[in-house]
Order: sequence, then C-alpha cells, then structure tokens
Amino acid sequence: EVVLTQSPGTLSLSPGETATLSCRASQSVRNNYLAWYQQKPGQAPRLLIYGASSRATGIPDRFSGSGSGTGFTLTISRLEPEDFAVYHCHQFGNSPPTFGQGTKVEIK
Amino acid sequence: EVQLLESGGGLAQPGGSLRLSCAASGFTLSNHVINWVRQAPGKGLEWVSSASGDNTYYTDSVKGRFTISSDSSKNTVYLQMNSLRAEDTAVYYCAKIGTGGGWYFEYWGQGTLVTVSS
Repeated sequence: EVVLTQSPGTLSLSPGETATLSCRASQSVRNNYLAWYQQKPGQAPRLLIYGASSRATGIPDRFSGSGSGTGFTLTISRLEPEDFAVYHCHQFGNSPPTFGQGTKVEIK
Repeated sequence: EVQLLESGGGLAQPGGSLRLSCAASGFTLSNHVINWVRQAPGKGLEWVSSASGDNTYYTDSVKGRFTISSDSSKNTVYLQMNSLRAEDTAVYYCAKIGTGGGWYFEYWGQGTLVTVSS
C-alpha cells in the first residue's frame, strides 16, 4: 500500500502568515488522486482539495494544493484564526486508499 | 442538502458485535459509493470499507469480520462488526465520495464512537 508521510508534524505560525504542508508518497499516486482535509477537535474532516489542486465547493482561495507523483503540498495563505486545525492528506489513486498521519497547524 | 447521520456506536466486549448505521438524506444512497472511515483516539484517519452497487471492499484488518450493506428502502448503509478487537476502538465516519474523479470523501457524517473493552 502507499504510505503517505506528512511533514512537519506540527507547524507553529501566527495569523496572517503562510503555512506550507508537505505530503510525500512512498510510490507515485496514480492520476494525482490526492486530497486534503481539515479537521478541528471533535469534528469530522472537511474536504479542502481533491485531485491534488482542485478546491472543493465553498473553500476559500487562500487554500491551494499542488504537486504530482510522489510529492504534494497544501499551502494556506494569510492564515485566519479558523484555519488552526489538523490537516490530513489522502491518496485514492492506488488501492487501498490511505491517509497521512496529519499535520497540526497551531497558533504561535 | 447532503446529510449523513451515523448511529449504533457504543461499548462492546472483545469478541463482541455491533452494527453501525448511516442514514443518508439529500441523495439516493444506492446511486453512490459510500464508505466507512475510522479514527482511533489521537490517531490519523483509516479507510475501513466501501460499497459501490453490489461491490464491496475492505481494509485487510477487517476482512472476514466486518460487512458493509445497505437498505435502499431506508436510504441507509450499515457496517456489521463482528469479532471486535481492542484495536477497532475508534470514531467511525461514513462518507460519500465526490464527483470530480476518483473516490475522495466529499461529505462526512458526524461520526459514532465504538469502544471495545472488557
């Protein structure tokens, strides 16, 4: 199965700064089928990005996804207070679907 | 509006059984791929099972123990969990895939907690 490794484990930033989250796959993700989710404590995950770079409905344009093959990035520009959360990457191009271990973006 | 509502979680003993339900509204469940994803306490997300029409899929650790099924008359999908183990303890989410290509999880329920302990 494809192992996804997210880095860093925790990112400490201030509102207004830019967050850059990495997701590396142990093998190429077919069709760049890579998604990103945001999760806040006690809540279900929320889809942000699918297909590596397509924003889900209602997601602000300060969230952007990029990358291909084995390396993917989620960039959050101009961090808002509500953006501090855990972010998960998910590959669905290879079976079985797998998730990364998550990156926590916390307030510095 | 698409909504998913899980129920059926609770405390089970090792070796016991539970049946989770996911009631869908805002769409016809039988026309879509429905999935179960779980999250152990303090851990990441793990795909558990998917159902697409008559086709079902499972992660290796639950094969032979869990069964996904659906009742179109109730627009509900189920996860029958047998021979439960401590490592099955998690919040279980049902999720509906999106329409942009591939099986990514666009809609999620609020989750139901399963605790396996003696």
